[in-house]
Amino acid sequence: EVQLLESGGGLVQPGGSLRLSCTASEFTFSSYTMTWVRQAPGKGLEWVSTISGSAASTFYADSVKGRFTISRDNSKNTLYLQMNSLRAGDTAVYYCAKGVDNSWPNYFDYWGQGSLVTVSS
Amino acid sequence: QSVLTQPPSVSGAPGQRVTISCTGNSSNIGAGYDVHWYQQLPGTAPKLLIYGNTNRPSGVPERFSGSKSGTSTSLAITGLQAEDEADYYCQSYDITLSVWVFGGGTKVTVL
Repeated sequence: EVQLLESGGGLVQPGGSLRLSCTASEFTFSSYTMTWVRQAPGKGLEWVSTISGSAASTFYADSVKGRFTISRDNSKNTLYLQMNSLRAGDTAVYYCAKGVDNSWPNYFDYWGQGSLVTVSS
Repeated sequence: QSVLTQPPSVSGAPGQRVTISCTGNSSNIGAGYDVHWYQQLPGTAPKLLIYGNTNRPSGVPERFSGSKSGTSTSLAITGLQAEDEADYYCQSYDITLSVWVFGGGTKVTVL
């Protein structure tokens, strides 16, 4: 069974940085796009960023462009989200999600359990 | 405000049929991009429910179905059960904004 396990969340001050990780198992990691989706407390889902299987292509929501960087290490089956210049509005549960294939746009067939990021002083 | 519009809530008694609409425009659903639906049970991660407008992944009960017409799609739940109480989200792609987009979500309450 496909598994996605996020880590790295926590409390950070405004303007600070945090790196999320998502470790994948039970599928050929490099053959699929991977995506970060976030959900602010009590709110809906918001697409954040997507990366192709080879990492050659990356896509970002305007709300995070220039502040967040998505990357992946296919040798470690791990997806990352480097978050800089964090704001209160970035407070959310961050989910990593597996794309159904390596094309885009696509949809997400498996999701991790989520990692809570809280930006507050 | 979400690019895809869903009703905030729908409700029904056990056994009834409920539908959730997801309305877009000519830059997303109307441009031919598929719509996918996710179910989020309380306190859990989203789960894929319908893909490609009308298709159910393995393991999803037949009481869940999707349809598409023009710039709108719908998710129907027939024979509503208590375990269907959850938030439901539609998702597509917007070619003008060049982003993946979600609807605002619909809370289904079983009366």
